Amino acid sequence: EAGVAQSPRYKIIEKRQSVAFWCNPISGHATLYWYQQILGQGPKLLIQFQNNGVVDDSQLPKDRFSAERLKGVDSTLKIQPAKLEDSAVYLCASSLETGGFYNEQFFGPGTRLTVL
Amino acid sequence: QQQVKQSPQSLIVQKGGISIINCAYENTAFDYFPWYQQFPGKGPALLIAIRPDVSEKKEGRFTISFNKSAKQFSLHIMDSQPGDSATYFCAAIQRAYSGAGSYQLTFGKGTKLSVIP
Repeated sequence: EAGVAQSPRYKIIEKRQSVAFWCNPISGHATLYWYQQILGQGPKLLIQFQNNGVVDDSQLPKDRFSAERLKGVDSTLKIQPAKLEDSAVYLCASSLETGGFYNEQFFGPGTRLTVL
Repeated sequence: QQQVKQSPQSLIVQKGGISIINCAYENTAFDYFPWYQQFPGKGPALLIAIRPDVSEKKEGRFTISFNKSAKQFSLHIMDSQPGDSATYFCAAIQRAYSGAGSYQLTFGKGTKLSVIP
């Protein structure tokens, strides 16, 4: 079974530039998550989608971050304009959503963003 | 506000020894406690998890001990091997009801484990 795919794997940009990350979840997974993992810290949830609707975006800095999940499959996360403190690994995860108890989240390899 | 506190930040263990990582939480709404293992350049992967009505869960060399009254839980890795060298995250889940079922996963800061031969 193919895992969660993310691209690019690495990105270096200057501050105030824009950047976009792409995620393809595991086939059949209705729920998709974007996390930010700053060096030396645990992942922090940015946004959660259920199919193509947003379930939770309470920790997404909406003045500069945006995300979409068209057709309920692939998703893109955009930062515009980037700040130095956005340097982090951006992880995408997906899970089945059957309405029961917790379904395991499967994580992609992440995109390492460096803002200079 | 850090909802899940994890210690130690780093840990060095001899091959064959026992690795112990501790976590504590405050939010009594948490109702599921997974541990994740992350290798460099990879995303976290679920290792083992426990519900708060269970005091211990064992899977192979990995054991979670859970103390609900103290709001603490720990991961024990028996017979630690160099291949166990990774960063370990404890986490806690608070169910967020959205009609279809969705879950807020809160991670600790992680423990970098190095198992030396």
